[in-house]
Amino acid sequence: RKEVEQDPGPFNVPEGATVAFNCTYSNSASQSFFWYRQDCRKEPKLLMSVYSSGNEDGRFTAQLNRASQYISLLIRDSKLSDSATYLCVVKRGGATNKLIFGTGTLLAVQP
Amino acid sequence: NAGVTQTPKFQVLKTGQSMTLQCAQDMNHEYMSWYRQDPGMGLRLIHYSVGAGITDQGEVPNGYNVSRSTTEDFPLRLLSAAPSQTSVYFCASSLAGSSYNEQFFGPGTRLTVL
Repeated sequence: RKEVEQDPGPFNVPEGATVAFNCTYSNSASQSFFWYRQDCRKEPKLLMSVYSSGNEDGRFTAQLNRASQYISLLIRDSKLSDSATYLCVVKRGGATNKLIFGTGTLLAVQP
Repeated sequence: NAGVTQTPKFQVLKTGQSMTLQCAQDMNHEYMSWYRQDPGMGLRLIHYSVGAGITDQGEVPNGYNVSRSTTEDFPLRLLSAAPSQTSVYFCASSLAGSSYNEQFFGPGTRLTVL
């Protein structure tokens, strides 16, 4: 079983739709949580960090449930430019910055 | 700032050849790491460094060596290339200290081993 699991998709949605991605992690000692975005044939880039209280950045809302070891990302009013792969990422505790990546969920926003 | 740079962008090797993938950052980041990305596997950590002169193994270190003689540079050496090392390689860097420090990735090196 992978340490970070995501639905690979693809999610095909029309412009303006709301779409939600889910992610589960198995290591209860995980310390920090993120969503990264990766465009086709490009490097991953940080979309947003995920805090215990939940956080929002414009059309994007991230939630963390430590008890269920579950992370979510909600995208409202989808744009064509949101089409990308969304990577759920977990950082283990300790002195290092090791990141554990999910395999990603592909989103295709259709006109 | 150029951020994280990687060279080459593309490389084709024959089985058994060796080569070095270059990575440099100009943000004075303490932490640097190398990942490989394969279809269906996600990014996996190969080696990482928490500062000049300090390196350690990640999840998939076999067949790769690293060194960190300066803060800026973190080259990845393939000792004897194998087809299983065909992948996209990303270098990343970040500040140390906070668990929420962002990791910045380079543009990647696409390696094919024949």
